[in-house]
Amino acid sequence: GDSVTQMEGPVTLSEEAFLTINCTYTATGYPSLFWYVQYPGEGLQLLLKATKADDKGSNKGFEATYRKETTSFHLEKGSVQVSDSAVYFCALSSAQLEGNNRLAFGKGNQVVVIP
Amino acid sequence: DSGVTQTPKHLITATGQRVTLRCSPRSGDLSVYWYQQSLDQGLQFLIHYYNGEERAKGNILERFSAQQFPDLHSELNLSSLELGDSALYFCASSVAQGRGQETQYFGPGTRLLVL
Repeated sequence: GDSVTQMEGPVTLSEEAFLTINCTYTATGYPSLFWYVQYPGEGLQLLLKATKADDKGSNKGFEATYRKETTSFHLEKGSVQVSDSAVYFCALSSAQLEGNNRLAFGKGNQVVVIP
Repeated sequence: DSGVTQTPKHLITATGQRVTLRCSPRSGDLSVYWYQQSLDQGLQFLIHYYNGEERAKGNILERFSAQQFPDLHSELNLSSLELGDSALYFCASSVAQGRGQETQYFGPGTRLLVL
């Protein structure tokens, strides 16, 4: 079945450092890809999305490009702030079946930004 | 604020009991999804309703059931509760039931603790 793999473990970095969180997927057909962010004590918020190959999603300085050839959707930000500390989830949604809009999530990465 | 509301925010109950979690989708959204977030299983899709009808089932136990009412709010019923059912339960909503491209908007979640 469809699945998402995120790099293991938390990510700790200093303010203004470059952030990369790796995400790869396995899916039949052409899924849509999403990054969601979860701040402490809150629900998930959509950060960005891409619905077809080579699309780049971007929001709040974060970017991710849908790479079909490497089945990847890595999240990047050039200069992180303390306020970016959160858990980041990569997710996919199958585009094959009408009504099949379920999200499959990766395990998430805790990002801690130190001042 | 995503516009999706969930009640209650916290729920503490005992093994063997039954609880009902409630979700109100964003205004105009016809689809409601339920997800479970636990430390060992991560975020898992449970069930999807569209305009009152069940559309897809995921890893939902037989002890769990859901429904969507004519006013589009949804309830997730959990019965014969076990310790392992302790988790954060999220509701999400989207406009329709498209082919995976729609954004799902998440509520703040209900934290269930089974003692």
